[in-house]
Amino acid sequence: QQQVKQSPQSLIVQKGGISIINCAYENTAFDYFPWYQQFPGKGPALLIAIRPDVSEKKEGRFTISFNKSAKQFSLHIMDSQPGDSATYFCAASMRGGNKLTFGTGTQLKVEL
Amino acid sequence: DGGITQSPKYLFRKEGQNVTLSCEQNLNHDAMYWYRQDPGQGLRLIYYSQIVNDFQKGDIAEGYSVSREKKESFPLTVTSAQKNPTAFYLCASSPRGNNYGYTFGSGTRLTVV
Repeated sequence: QQQVKQSPQSLIVQKGGISIINCAYENTAFDYFPWYQQFPGKGPALLIAIRPDVSEKKEGRFTISFNKSAKQFSLHIMDSQPGDSATYFCAASMRGGNKLTFGTGTQLKVEL
Repeated sequence: DGGITQSPKYLFRKEGQNVTLSCEQNLNHDAMYWYRQDPGQGLRLIYYSQIVNDFQKGDIAEGYSVSREKKESFPLTVTSAQKNPTAFYLCASSPRGNNYGYTFGSGTRLTVV
């Protein structure tokens, strides 16, 4: 079974702080690693994604760090804001494969 | 505007009844997917289809059925055989071989009473 393990399950961060969510995978054939953001009652939306040929990708306040040898990747949200409060999912898929395998999600709450 | 439309947003059914959830996309995507979301369990794949008239079981297909007669449409039927059907159901689509275009609908919340 292809799995992506995500932690923590929930996270509370103060406004302006850094939120960090971690994921680990087993299948070395995975070559695409996106993060999705989901607000209550809505479908997930793509936030940022990375391929294993780079170790880091940054888009605004969101950064993915990727460690190929450890088979781990993480999402960092800098200067966290209350509007970032949502559920975040990591995912992975193989080259040419359409299916995304998702982590179990992290519920982030950013407090004032 | 291109996107995925799921309907209805909320659905209530009595136990033992079959119910069909609608998913339509106008993104010209070849592949479509159905996921089930339960608290603490993430997104679990029910069925997926990569081309018209073809579909495969995902990780939790028991008690569900699908059809793919048109590229734009991928309805999901929750049958009476599904033991615990109350959940949030999400439909997604993507271009074949390109997961960067993986797009979700806004979901249907099914409650069985």
